[in-house]
Amino acid sequence: KAGVTQTPRYLIKTRGQQVTLSCSPISGHRSVSWYQQTPGQGLQFLFEYFSETQRNKGNFPGRFSGRQFSNSRSEMNVSTLELGDSALYLCASKEQGSSYEQYFGPGTRLTVT
Amino acid sequence: DAKTTQPNSMESNEEEPVHLPCNHSTISGTDYIHWYRQLPSQGPEYVIHGLTSNVNNRMASLAIAEDRKSSTLILHRATLRDAAVYYCILRDGGAGSYQLTFGKGTKLSVIP
Repeated sequence: KAGVTQTPRYLIKTRGQQVTLSCSPISGHRSVSWYQQTPGQGLQFLFEYFSETQRNKGNFPGRFSGRQFSNSRSEMNVSTLELGDSALYLCASKEQGSSYEQYFGPGTRLTVT
Repeated sequence: DAKTTQPNSMESNEEEPVHLPCNHSTISGTDYIHWYRQLPSQGPEYVIHGLTSNVNNRMASLAIAEDRKSSTLILHRATLRDAAVYYCILRDGGAGSYQLTFGKGTKLSVIP
């Protein structure tokens, strides 16, 4: 099976703009989670989607949002970008049920200038 | 969320066993212990998980203390490809959703 794919891999945006990142989970995986990784804060959970519904949300402002489509692909959106949003955004997918493994994609490196 | 404590860094010689410790004194009865690792410029990778009993897989072994307040990830023979940041994570098995709370992890360096 193909792994988790994320597009784009690198992105440069200007403060105040908005950005949309895409994640395609492993075929058959219905749960998709998003994480933000920065040198200062480490890996932080953003939100999880399952069957097009947000099932859990981390402690991030409302500028961070996401959605999931019927084919389990997911997008996350950040509006009104701030310099502090520069980070590696990671997507992870897992099977529903007894599987405990979360499979991570390579991430999207977002730089806000 | 229950917290984990890991050393910031460790070193190991190539082909030697490595024992990576993790303390989780506030672990609850439904918390699973997960280990992930992150190689440079890659997303995290699942290593192993357990609840109460010791676990083995092709990558590593997980030794869990009897009181579950600590655990140790064991790499039986470290290779250069094992150089990574290793994260010990508690996941609430009673929760409906799946959320991993990562700490700072242990940066493992492998010396040839």
